[in-house]
Amino acid sequence: TQLLEQSPQFLSIQEGENLTVYCNSSSVFSSLQWYRQEPGEGPVLLVTVVTGGEVKKLKRLTFQFGDARKDSSLHITAAQPGDTGLYLCAGNYGGSQGNLIFGKGTKLSVKP
Amino acid sequence: SQTIHQWPATLVQPVGSPLSLECTVEGTSNPNLYWYRQAAGRGLQLLFYSIGIDQISSEVPQNLSASRPQDRQFILSSKKLLLSDSGFYLCAWTSAPSYEQYFGPGTRLTVT
Repeated sequence: TQLLEQSPQFLSIQEGENLTVYCNSSSVFSSLQWYRQEPGEGPVLLVTVVTGGEVKKLKRLTFQFGDARKDSSLHITAAQPGDTGLYLCAGNYGGSQGNLIFGKGTKLSVKP
Repeated sequence: SQTIHQWPATLVQPVGSPLSLECTVEGTSNPNLYWYRQAAGRGLQLLFYSIGIDQISSEVPQNLSASRPQDRQFILSSKKLLLSDSGFYLCAWTSAPSYEQYFGPGTRLTVT
């Protein structure tokens, strides 16, 4: 059974601080996606990483896929209150269904 | 562009009553469709997925069922709701080759 472990589960920081969220598995994924979800809404796709060692940047967010495609990290620079939300990673382990395995998420709170 | 709709947005139902949640996708053909349940703002539990009309796979044995009467319509049903069916229900779609999943706005179900 494939599992995705996310850490930390909760993170409360002040505006302007940096943070990193981790997503780890013992399984190899063909791709990995990061989502952000706000209360009462559906998750919104932030990025998809496909190649081992790949780094993608989205403004102040930096996403990295591990060389072995088993883990990923999300780094936020100079966090802002608008970054508050639940961050979910999801791994695609292949197959024609496109099914994803989701981590339990990291709940981030950025205080002004 | 593609859009995904869910309704109703919120629902309060008594124990033992039936349920019907609907999801429709616009702007794409032959998508894979998914129903998830999310408890307490945490990880997503895959309930059902469908790769085509009348092709439904169940991931978790439960009180719920799903149907796909049309290519872009996915319905989640129950004949008799249980208290444990309360939660936030999310519909998602994906398609080859990226298999990135895109979520609807969700339905908050409270069973009383």
